[in-house]
Amino acid sequence: EAGVAQSPRYKIIEKRQSVAFWCNPISGHATLYWYQQILGQGPKLLIQFQNNGVVDDSQLPKDRFSAERLKGVDSTLKIQPAKLEDSAVYLCASSSLSGGYQETQYFGPGTRLLVL
Amino acid sequence: AQSVTQLDSHVSVSEGTPVLLRCNYSSSYSPSLFWYVQHPNKGLQLLLKYTSAATLVKGINGFEAEFKKSETSFHLTKPSAHMSDAAEYFCVVSARGFGNQFYFGTGTSLTVIP
Repeated sequence: EAGVAQSPRYKIIEKRQSVAFWCNPISGHATLYWYQQILGQGPKLLIQFQNNGVVDDSQLPKDRFSAERLKGVDSTLKIQPAKLEDSAVYLCASSSLSGGYQETQYFGPGTRLLVL
Repeated sequence: AQSVTQLDSHVSVSEGTPVLLRCNYSSSYSPSLFWYVQHPNKGLQLLLKYTSAATLVKGINGFEAEFKKSETSFHLTKPSAHMSDAAEYFCVVSARGFGNQFYFGTGTSLTVIP
């Protein structure tokens, strides 16, 4: 089966510009996650969707970050305006059922963002 | 609260020798524990997971881990390292009642010396 797809793979922007990342989860997976992975750290959850509803966005910096999953399939994460500290790898993951604590999450290759 | 501590940020082993990557967890409830591997410029791949069944869990590529509740540990082992094992390894804890979130450790970078 096809894995989690993400694009673009790399992005370089200047601070205060906007950027958007796209994710297409594994077919049939109801739960979708966006993570931020800063160099030298483990991934940190930004937002979790179940179908097209938000389950948890408590760690999403809502003044500059937004995300949507309108049809319950693919998702877009946007940053506007970007700051230097947003330089990181943005990972998308999906899981098949309700996103329960025992479920495996399947990760995409990530988008590496550099903010200059 | 949930948290994971990976005790070594970097481990070096010679090819053909055993691998031990250490992980301690903290969880208020019975946890699920995972090990993921991340090769350069690749996504995270699941190696194995513990979900309250057998405490010794076998994963892909010859890796295994043992859940020890008394020691709050979930160390990853492999009897014989291969060059292709060189990568970043993440220990992850998840627990019911905490939004089912994954809490990642800071990672252990494994180097395999030929």
